[in-house]
Order: sequence, then structure tokens, then C-alpha cells
Amino acid sequence: NAGVTQTPKFRVLKTGQSMTLLCAQDMNHEYMYWYRQDPGMGLRLIHYSVGEGTTAKGEVPDGYNVSRLKKQNFLLGLESAAPSQTSVYFCASRNDLTSGSPDTQYFGPGTRLTVL
Amino acid sequence: EDQVTQSPEALRLQEGESSSLNCSYTVSGLRGLFWYRQDPGKGPEFLFTLYSAGEEKEKERLKATLTKKESFLHITAPKPEDSATYLCAGRSERGTYKYIFGTGTRLKVLA
Repeated sequence: NAGVTQTPKFRVLKTGQSMTLLCAQDMNHEYMYWYRQDPGMGLRLIHYSVGEGTTAKGEVPDGYNVSRLKKQNFLLGLESAAPSQTSVYFCASRNDLTSGSPDTQYFGPGTRLTVL
Repeated sequence: EDQVTQSPEALRLQEGESSSLNCSYTVSGLRGLFWYRQDPGKGPEFLFTLYSAGEEKEKERLKATLTKKESFLHITAPKPEDSATYLCAGRSERGTYKYIFGTGTRLKVLA
């Protein structure tokens, strides 16, 4: 089991460019999350998904879009990158608690994004 | 508004010097208090989940406790390999799927 993987690990963009971050999990989890982590701010929820084909806004969704076309993948898109989106992005997944699975989020290794 | 506050921001300990990290929360109808460890350049790694006041969980040199207002992560006789950032998070009844994270405590254990 690879757990939660994220690609790419690092990326530098210029203002106005677009990109997609990919998160993949092999644990058959229902719920997936995208967070950003900034110094002194903690982890903030961008978007999340409670199942294939569903997405919902989190705490800081502006400037980001997401898609969950397959259960194992959760994509985060930046249509027109801004310097304020410079951050470390983490994906996480968790199973449906009604299945008796542990109430545990599993995190990926992160993507470090710099927008110039 | 749901909030999780961790203190101190940073802590330096000598090897073997026990201490505690604090996580204060105001989370409506808490449905779980979570502790994670995060090493530099890596994602958070799950440590504990606590559900009700009075609950305690242990793992090696770490013990997490929960009251109605705060949680503590006690570190007994720490070793340099315990150096990391420790995060806590709460999940409220209002957002079954969402977690509110604190800003973390950076722990450095000196040999």
C-alpha cells in the first residue's frame, strides 16, 4: 500500500499560470481533503469530497477548483495562480466511519508550490 | 466560531526532561480531538484520537489526555527523535467531515 500520494512534490509557477495537483489514495477511502499549510496559520481546508463525484467548499476555497471523477483520485486546480497561493498543499483521506473504520485522516507528503 | 489553540508555539527540552503540550479548544459538540506529529518536509502522521473528557491514550513516551476545554500531550523522558511539530485538531458536530487544526507546537529535544 502506497497510502496517499501527491504529484508533483515541488512546483514553481508564474502569476497567472494554471496547474493541477493530483492526489491518489489506494485505501478505498470515501472522504478526501485538500489543505494548505502556511507558517503561523496551521492547516486550512480548501475543498473536500465525501465520495466519488462530490465536492464541497472548505474554509479557503477561492481561487481553487477540485474534481473527484474517480474514487481514488482528488484533483486540485489553480486556474490563474497568484503569489498568495504560495504554500504547501496537503491531501488527506479518511474512510466512512459508519463502516467501522478508525476515525483517522491519512495525509500525503505534500506539494510545495511557489508562485512568483 | 470553532477554534483550536496550541501552546507553546515552540519548546526546547533536554533529553529526558518531561513536559506537556497544550491544546485548548472551543469546538461545538466535539466529536473527536486528534493529535498528529509532523516532521519537516512531510505530511502529518496520526497519533491519537480522544472522544470524551477523562479519556487517555498512550504510545511509547507520549500520553494524550482530554478535558472539557483542553487536551494535553505529555512527553515523558523525551529523546531527540521526538523532535517534530505536534498538531492537534478538533471535529465538531456541525461539520462531521471537517477538522479544525491548531497551529502546532514545534518541539526540539536536545541530546
